[in-house]
Amino acid sequence: DVKVTQSSRYLVKRTGEKVFLECVQDMDHENMFWYRQDPGLGLRLIYFSYDVKMKEKGDIPEGYSVSREKKERFSLILESASTNQTSMYLCASSLVRTVETQYFGPGTRLLVL
Amino acid sequence: GESVGLHLPTLSVQEGDNSIINCAYSNSASDYFIWYKQESGKGPQFIIDIRSNMDKRQGQRVTVLLNKTVKHLSLQIAATQPGDSAVYFCAENWMTLGGNEKLTFGTGTRLTIIP
Repeated sequence: DVKVTQSSRYLVKRTGEKVFLECVQDMDHENMFWYRQDPGLGLRLIYFSYDVKMKEKGDIPEGYSVSREKKERFSLILESASTNQTSMYLCASSLVRTVETQYFGPGTRLLVL
Repeated sequence: GESVGLHLPTLSVQEGDNSIINCAYSNSASDYFIWYKQESGKGPQFIIDIRSNMDKRQGQRVTVLLNKTVKHLSLQIAATQPGDSAVYFCAENWMTLGGNEKLTFGTGTRLTIIP
């Protein structure tokens, strides 16, 4: 079974703080993704990566950056957290290109005060 | 079915009955579709997928139907159980003008199984 883990289930941060969300997958998948999920808006793609040290912007990259130094790990960084970044953050991975099924982690619910 | 807005469509089904969840997708060029189940407090979980060269695919207790003419996807769950209560949403895969593949998710339908 594919296992995608996220470092925290719940996080509370203050406006202006730098926030790191970590994601690890154990199936040697090439592709990793970060989404945010908000009521009524579904999942929106923030960033994705097709290989180590590669990153590409998704639909809503503003206010975020990512890092992929190792194949199994994909980090999402909020350089200066803002209240409108309060959301559920979901990491996913897939074996090859996007056309394949993406497997999701359990999510991190972030509250920015 | 899928909806844009603050409130998810909801569907309540008696335990043991069959349920049908609908999804209208947007891009006629989409070539791959996935249904996900998301239980409260958890990440989405893959249920079943279908490629655009098929119109039906069956899994264990689940069937996905694809009607490309009207861009409609449905998920049928047979003999529903309490554990089927969750939010279900579809995703479509398509190619952007820039040549990138993109997966777009619907907003979901909340299924509640009544004991």
